Parts: sequence; structure tokens; C-alpha cells
Amino acid sequence: AQKVTQAQTEISVVEKEDVTLDCVYETRDTTYYLFWYKQPPSGELVFLIRRNSFDEQNEISGRYSWNFQKSTSSFNFTITASQVVDSAVYFCAPHMSNTGKLIFGQGTTLQVKP
Amino acid sequence: EPEVTQTPSHQVTQMGQEVILRCVPISNHLYFYWYRQILGQKVEFLVSFYNNEISEKSEIFDDQFSVERPDGSNFTLKIRSTKLEDSAMYFCASSEQGLNNSPLHFGNGTRLTVT
Repeated sequence: AQKVTQAQTEISVVEKEDVTLDCVYETRDTTYYLFWYKQPPSGELVFLIRRNSFDEQNEISGRYSWNFQKSTSSFNFTITASQVVDSAVYFCAPHMSNTGKLIFGQGTTLQVKP
Repeated sequence: EPEVTQTPSHQVTQMGQEVILRCVPISNHLYFYWYRQILGQKVEFLVSFYNNEISEKSEIFDDQFSVERPDGSNFTLKIRSTKLEDSAMYFCASSEQGLNNSPLHFGNGTRLTVT
């Protein structure tokens, strides 16, 4: 079965701290894609990143970085120097190549305090 | 930047009534989706649509649900006879070339409240 686990339900940090959000998935597919979405308090779903299973190179975009480890089926997300505006629910969502859908994790609620 | 738009932002209806949720996907996108999120829970897939037909649907998407692309721009979700448990945020999404080649872009959602 295809499954995604975001073990951290809630994380609270103080502004400027670094924070890592964990994502572990299960799949038997050799080809798949991994996504992260952000859901701020206003409710919309904001696309952050899409990675394919062939590319294990870590990616950095400003204060955001992603660590993909195929051997451990993990795709973790780090925010460096967190800001209050980073407060949101973050969803990891794998897409397995034989389906047309994203499978969302339970989400991690990040609260960044000033 | 082009975006997916959904109307209305909030819909209140009585149990048993029909509702239609409307979406305008990004214009050059070919794949369309509906997801829903019950308050405080995870986002769940309902249905995907490509080439004027349903590609895939979940167990949630039973006979009470239907989708339609009535013209070249709109994509609608109809719930024939709403139940209390249909109360949720419904997200429309579109993808240019499908998830194997491009990301999903979501609309801001329609909050459906069934009373």
C-alpha cells in the first residue's frame, strides 16, 4: 500500500530557529514524485516543491531546503531562520506513477513565535 | 501568475439539497482534480478528469457526486443530495501535463457547510 507519514503533528519554534519537518513514505514503485504543500491559516494550498525519485540531489530555495533520501524513503523539509509568516500546516504528498492522485500526509502544524 | 479560481468561497446549504461547486482551471492545463479537506483533517483525493472523462476516483466519490466540464473553461463538482458529512473545504486543482510531468496547482477552495 502507498502511504505517507508525517510523524510530527505540531512543532513550535521561536523566530530565527531552524526547523525540520519529517516525511516518510511507503511505495513499491521505482518511479514516483514527491511534493510539499503549505497551507497557511487562510486555507489555500500553496505548492512548494516537486521532486522525482531519480534525483536525489538536495535542493535549496532561499530559506527552504529539502533532503531526499531514497534509501530511507524520506523527503524532509527544513526551514532556516524561521519567520512568523512560516506558520502554517505543511503537507508532504507523494505521487506514485501508476495513479493520477497525490496522497497527502496528515500534515505538520508549524507555529513560529516572535 | 495564472491561478485556479473557485466560486463561491463559502456555500451553505441544507441537507438533501443539490450543490454545484465551480472552478476555472489554469487555461493551458489539461488535467483537473477535486480534493476535499474535512476541518482539521488531511486533504483527500476525490476525482481526476482528463480528456472529458473521469480518469480516477476515490471511494468517497460515490453516485452522489459528479463532475463536468461544460465548456472550455469551467470544471464543476455537483453533489446531488448533500449530507452533513459532506461539510468540508473542497479544492479544485489543475495540472498542465499530469502529475508525472508537472505539479498540481490548487484553487483557494470552497467551504461547504451542510446544515
